[in-house]
Amino acid sequence: EDKVVQSPLSLVVHEGDTVTLNCSYEVTNFRSLLWYKQEKKAPTFLFMLTSSGIEKKSGRLSSILDKKELFSILNITATQTGDSAIYLCAADNNNDMRFGAGTRLTVKP
Amino acid sequence: KAGVTQTPRYLIKTRGQQVTLSCSPISGHRSVSWYQQTPGQGLQFLFEYFSETQRNKGNFPGRFSGRQFSNSRSEMNVSTLELGDSALYLCASSYLPSGGDLIRQSSYNEQFFGPGTRLTVL
Repeated sequence: EDKVVQSPLSLVVHEGDTVTLNCSYEVTNFRSLLWYKQEKKAPTFLFMLTSSGIEKKSGRLSSILDKKELFSILNITATQTGDSAIYLCAADNNNDMRFGAGTRLTVKP
Repeated sequence: KAGVTQTPRYLIKTRGQQVTLSCSPISGHRSVSWYQQTPGQGLQFLFEYFSETQRNKGNFPGRFSGRQFSNSRSEMNVSTLELGDSALYLCASSYLPSGGDLIRQSSYNEQFFGPGTRLTVL
């Protein structure tokens, strides 16, 4: 059965710290891996990764995919309190989207 | 460009009733997917519609159904409500359907989520 596992489930850091969130997946017909940030409302899209080894960056956030080892990481540098959220990853298996349970990140001042 | 809209935003029903939720996608988007989000199960895929046809369906009972209209607006219906159906129901629209050709520019495949409808079943 297709599954997506995220770790850690929760993380508490202080402003300025760098964090790495992990997402491993086992899906048949893998097409892409997506990262979302969810605060109090609906998820907002961060990245879509389809190719191994190509880092995608957006400001202080970056992400990379390893299709051989079946995982992705999301890095956030110089964290700010506004980064506090649940970060979801999802694998597109060409049929539907399988979501991980999310990592709850709390950034303290 | 207006975002994805969902109505109603909040709903309270009792067990046994039925409910219809509505989702209007971003203009030009023809794919609409529905998700259920609960604290215990996280985000789970319900179904996807593209051009008025259901393309994919998640692992939910037949009480959950949906449809899409020619203007791409979609409705989701849940009949014989159970307490466990209390959840945030999210819809997301995208330009391309799942399973279609990936286009290098990821915005074509990106899903844009609506604010959700919070359903409480008493």
